[in-house]
Amino acid sequence: DTGVSQNPRHKITKRGQNVTFRCDPISEHNRLYWYRQTLGQGPEFLTYFQNEAQLEKSRLLSDRFSAERPKGSFSTLEIQRTEQGDSAMYLCASSLVTGGSWRANTGELFFGEGSRLTVL
Amino acid sequence: DQQVKQNSPSLSVQEGRISILNCDYTNSMFDYFLWYKKYPAEGPTFLISISSIKDKNEDGRFTVFLNKSAKHLSLHIVPSQPGDSAVYFCAASAIYNQGGKLIFGQGTELSVKP
Repeated sequence: DTGVSQNPRHKITKRGQNVTFRCDPISEHNRLYWYRQTLGQGPEFLTYFQNEAQLEKSRLLSDRFSAERPKGSFSTLEIQRTEQGDSAMYLCASSLVTGGSWRANTGELFFGEGSRLTVL
Repeated sequence: DQQVKQNSPSLSVQEGRISILNCDYTNSMFDYFLWYKKYPAEGPTFLISISSIKDKNEDGRFTVFLNKSAKHLSLHIVPSQPGDSAVYFCAASAIYNQGGKLIFGQGTELSVKP
C-alpha cells in the first residue's frame, strides 16, 4: 500500500498525558500537512511541512502541540498535557508541489485514514 | 472566521435523481477548489477540482460549477447512486499565496435512497 499511513489509528488517554502520532506520507511527496477534525466539522488546518521545514502553523496549534518532520519523510505530531478538548480525529495528508507552472500543482492532498484521539 | 461554508449539513436524494451540493467562500485569493468525499472511519478522498480560470469541470457523473463573482461553487451528481452516500467537503486553496493548504467547509452529508 503506497498511500498515506497513520499510526496509531485510535488512542485513548487520560487527561494530562502526552500522546504522539506518526504519519508516513506518499514517498515522493514533498509536502506534509496535519489537520484536525471534530464531529460535524470539516478538517481544520494545523501545520504543514515542505520537506523538513515547517512553513506554517495555525493559531489553533497551541504550545502543547509540536510537529516534526526531521528527515523530510515521516512526521510526528505530539500533544503534551492532553485536555478533553483535544479529542478529535487527527488527519495527515501529503502532496507533491513542483516548481513548475501553477497548472502542475493541482492542490490535491492525499489523506491518511486518521488517528482518533480520545482524552478521558 | 469560516472562509469556506457549506450551509446544508445534510441532503437526501432519491436514487437516479440529481444531487446538488453547494459551497460559498469569502477569500478572493482562493484560486483552486476541490471536492472531497468521506466515508465513516476513512480519510477524505479527492473527487473533483476546478481552477479559478474555469467555470465548469466535468468528470463522469460529477460536475463542479464555479461562479467567481458570487464566490459560490456547486457539485452536481447525476444520476445519484446509493454508493454516493457520504459526507462531501468543499475545499479551497490559494496555491501560491497560502502555501497550498486546503481550507475546508463543514461538510454536507448526502444520503441517496434506493
